[in-house]
Amino acid sequence: KNQVEQSPQSLIILEGKNCTLQCNYTVSPFSNLRWYKQDTGRGPVSLTIMTFSENTKSNGRYTATLDADTKQSSLHITASQLSDSASYICVVTLNYGGSQGNLIFGKGTKLSVKP
Amino acid sequence: NAGVMQNPRHLVRRRGQEARLRCSPMKGHSHVYWYRQLPEEGLKFMVYLQKENIIDESGMPKERFSAEFPKEGPSILRIQQVVRGDSAAYFCASSPLSPSGELFFGEGSRLTVL
Repeated sequence: KNQVEQSPQSLIILEGKNCTLQCNYTVSPFSNLRWYKQDTGRGPVSLTIMTFSENTKSNGRYTATLDADTKQSSLHITASQLSDSASYICVVTLNYGGSQGNLIFGKGTKLSVKP
Repeated sequence: NAGVMQNPRHLVRRRGQEARLRCSPMKGHSHVYWYRQLPEEGLKFMVYLQKENIIDESGMPKERFSAEFPKEGPSILRIQQVVRGDSAAYFCASSPLSPSGELFFGEGSRLTVL
């Protein structure tokens, strides 16, 4: 069964600290993996998208890694800010040759950054 | 270039009424997706449309729900005879090319069924 599991479910950190969010998937065949940030009451916004051949990709203070062999990804947030408080969603795309609703969503990790 | 526009942002309906949610994709995007999100849950795929065609509706409930993306105008998600369990946030996303490309989300429409 194609699944995306994220951990932890929720996380509280102090402003300025770093944190790492995990994503494990059993999706096959794999096309790409995305991380989204969803603020409360808003739509998801893309942070990174990685294909099979990419191991790491950065977007400012966000760095995503991908290990396609172990089917794991992580999102590392450096020097956290209060505005980083949000849900972070891992999404894996099935490789069906470009059609249909083939994105598998994780339930997200809810991050709270405290002052 | 405006983003994905959804309206209404909030909709309240009584049981048995109809709900219509609209989504205007980003300019130049011909692929539209609808997702449902329950509180504290992840997004669940409902339907994928291209202009005038439903490509994949495998996530759509068999009854009461329908979607369209006409040649002109926004995509519409229609829920007939709403029940309390339909209360959720409904997100629309669009992409310019295949689903493997970048996906842009709207801010969602929050349906509350009394």
